[in-house]
Amino acid sequence: QVQLVQSGAEVKKPGASVKVSCQASGYTFANYGFSWVRQAPGQGLEWLGWISANNGNTHYGQKLHDRLTMTADTSTNTAYMELRTLRSDDTAVFFCATGLGHSAFDHWGLGTLVTVSS
Amino acid sequence: SYDLTQPPSVSVSPGQTASITCSGDKLGDSYVCWYQQKPGQSPTLVIYEDTKRPSGIPERFSGSSAGNTATLTISGTQAMDEAVYYCQAWDTTTAVFGGGTKLTVL
Repeated sequence: QVQLVQSGAEVKKPGASVKVSCQASGYTFANYGFSWVRQAPGQGLEWLGWISANNGNTHYGQKLHDRLTMTADTSTNTAYMELRTLRSDDTAVFFCATGLGHSAFDHWGLGTLVTVSS
Repeated sequence: SYDLTQPPSVSVSPGQTASITCSGDKLGDSYVCWYQQKPGQSPTLVIYEDTKRPSGIPERFSGSSAGNTATLTISGTQAMDEAVYYCQAWDTTTAVFGGGTKLTVL
């Protein structure tokens, strides 16, 4: 079955960077893309961007595009999301998600809590 | 930017029908999907392409869309359906989520 396994929780200081991974299994990794979505405590879902696992093409949302980098490694079936120059309001759970065969997100990782605190 | 508007909360009695709306200026140009999120869990897709149910989602969940408004309907609502529901659509290459609707079953 399809699984997206994310890396563990992180605690970072303001100004630092964080890199979250999402390892996929149960399907052909390169055939689909990944989106990253974050959820601040008690808040709604915010889409951050998308990467094609096939060719690495990306599209980032406007809000974080200057601090965000998404990559995909087909040798390990792993997608990565790096957020730089962290601020306290970046504290959130970060999810990876993919849609197999349509544009909705039908598989999600369990989420990675990133806490930004001095 | 493109906004999707949902009511913050909806209440329903067990066994009754719950309807959650999602409105947006460009909704007529895009498929809408719906996610259910329970506390401490990842979102779960319950409706995609306006009306389709993924395998494993109960038949009591249905979706519709007309003009700039999409609706998630839960027929015969059960206590286990209490959750936050999010609509989502694509604005060309950007995904947009609604603000979420807390469904209370009481």
